[in-house]
Amino acid sequence: DGGITQSPKYLFRKEGQNVTLSCEQNLNHDAMYWYRQDPGQGLRLIYYSQIVNDFQKGDIAEGYSVSREKKESFPLTVTSAQKNPTAFYLCASSTRQGGDTGELFFGEGSRLTVL
Amino acid sequence: AQTVTQSQPEMSVQEAETVTLSCTYDTSESDYYLFWYKQPPSRQMILVIRQEAYKQQNATENRFSVNFQKAAKSFSLKISDSQLGDAAMYFCAYRRAQTSGSRLTFGEGTQLTVNP
Repeated sequence: DGGITQSPKYLFRKEGQNVTLSCEQNLNHDAMYWYRQDPGQGLRLIYYSQIVNDFQKGDIAEGYSVSREKKESFPLTVTSAQKNPTAFYLCASSTRQGGDTGELFFGEGSRLTVL
Repeated sequence: AQTVTQSQPEMSVQEAETVTLSCTYDTSESDYYLFWYKQPPSRQMILVIRQEAYKQQNATENRFSVNFQKAAKSFSLKISDSQLGDAAMYFCAYRRAQTSGSRLTFGEGTQLTVNP
């Protein structure tokens, strides 16, 4: 079945450590996104990529980094520079091809907790 | 920048009754998409309904319908015959249509409780 896979589902990190969240999609979508969700709040955009080897900062990119070396993969690194990284992270993708319905398809999310 | 506002942090409804969730947005664009996503306790984001701004007809998906008022920049979601499984956080979202791969901007969400 086509979809988006995020891993790990739960991750614990000590302060000062970098961690990388994985996002893989087999939907043949060109565009991919990372959102952060804090308790009781909406989703805020961290980074997005419209095509391989290109990505743009979202609203809260500080302390995060991404890469887009393959169409299927868009990993997010939470660096030690991110002051408050404990949150729920959602990856999404969308098509840029004809027939774009505008919809974003989401993974199941990764919960990061800093100890 | 586009903004999306949901003024009701929490709503509740009796099972089998009807509830309406409000959403307003701000944009200078004329062509865009609007969405309602549902996030149940599993936290999986599920698309409930979508509306294309150039279409005057309000979208409907089974028990879910929208009231799209383009001039007022309002996009409310009506849930008819509410069911216990409808309990979730509901997010209104906006996306420009001209640029494929453009970002989705979310409101802060409305937590819907369905009482048996």
